[in-house]
Formats: sequence, structure tokens, C-alpha cells
Amino acid sequence: EVQLVESGGGLVQPGRSLRLSCAASGFTFDDYAMHWVRQAPGKGLEWVSGISWNSGSIGYADSVKGRFTISRDNAKNSLYLQMNSLRAEDTALYYCARSGSGWSYFDYWGQGTLVTVSS
Amino acid sequence: EIVLTQSPATLSLSPGERATLSCRASQSVSSYLAWYQQKPGQAPRLLIYDASNRATGIPARFSGSGSGTDFTLTISSLEPEDFAVYYCQHRRTFGQGTKLEIK
Repeated sequence: EVQLVESGGGLVQPGRSLRLSCAASGFTFDDYAMHWVRQAPGKGLEWVSGISWNSGSIGYADSVKGRFTISRDNAKNSLYLQMNSLRAEDTALYYCARSGSGWSYFDYWGQGTLVTVSS
Repeated sequence: EIVLTQSPATLSLSPGERATLSCRASQSVSSYLAWYQQKPGQAPRLLIYDASNRATGIPARFSGSGSGTDFTLTISSLEPEDFAVYYCQHRRTFGQGTKLEIK
């Protein structure tokens, strides 16, 4: 059974940093691209960042470019999101999601970890 | 950047009725269009990929059609558990969602 379990969310002050993790199991992790997708309270879905199976291709939404860094450790079956210079508008539920090599759709999602940016 | 526009924003129907949800792309996305269902407090669930292929375990009452810029998600006969928010997606872009509510 495919499982994606996010962790690392919490309450953080504006301008501070936070690191999210996603632990994957039930599939061959390094066969797939992985992504972070977020959802602000009461709002829709927003793709944040994606990384190819070998970290050779990485992309970011304009809203987080230069502040967030995605990475993965295939030996640990884990995905990460380093979030720096956090803003109030980064407050959201952050989902980890799996995709194929074409990044065309997300077939499995975690349950999300909540990030709240507030003073 | 591609923009996906979903309509209607809210759709009010009764169980047993047919639901038709629309997604329009600002430029051609070929058949690279997916649909997701999200219920309150849950993660999104993939329903349809590549415009018309049902994901694993998705009931046959869900179907997708379209190509280029115009796409449709059809639920042939609504079950109580189908009332939720539905999103379309192409690569990095999501539509704003259609809320399917009980009439």
C-alpha cells in the first residue's frame, strides 16, 4: 500500500524557517517524481514544488522561488521542503504527492501537515 | 502560463441526478488533464488522468472527456458520497474548483 506521511509543520513567526518532511512507503521511491502541493484555509490547491526521481529536474512556483528548497533522499525514501523567509500567505496545509516522470498528474497524496505563519 | 477555469463554481443537484462539470484551459493542453475529488478534511483523490482514464478503484459512474482546451467530468448518477469539491489540473496548474452540493 502506498503511503505518504508528512511531518514538520507548526506555528512559526514571519521571517523564520521550517523544514517539512514526507516519508514514503509501499512503492519504489526512486521510480517517481515527488511534489509539494499546498492549500490555504478554505482555498483551492496550489502546486508549490516538484523534483524528479534523481533530483535532476526541480521546479518551483513563482510564489516560493528563492525562498523554498525541495530535496529528496532516495536511500531514506524521503522528500523534504526547506521553507525560509516565511510569510503569512504561506499559511496552508502542505501535501506531499507522487507523480510519474511527466509530472502530468498526482496519483497519491499524503494527509498533509499544517504550517501557520503568524506573530 | 496556462490558466484553468472551472464552471460552475457551485452545482446543486440531488442523488441520482447526472452531474456535468467543466474545465476550460487558456491554451491547448492536449489530453494532459486530470480531475480530483476532495472531501472536507481529506486529501485530494485522483479520479481521472489524461482526460479520460479512470484511476485505480474509481467507480465507472465517473467519466472524463475532452481534449485541447475544453474538458468535462461527468458523474452519471450521483451517490451521496459524491458531494465534494472537484478540481481539474494540468501539470503545475489547478483550476479553482467546483463545489458539488446536495440540493
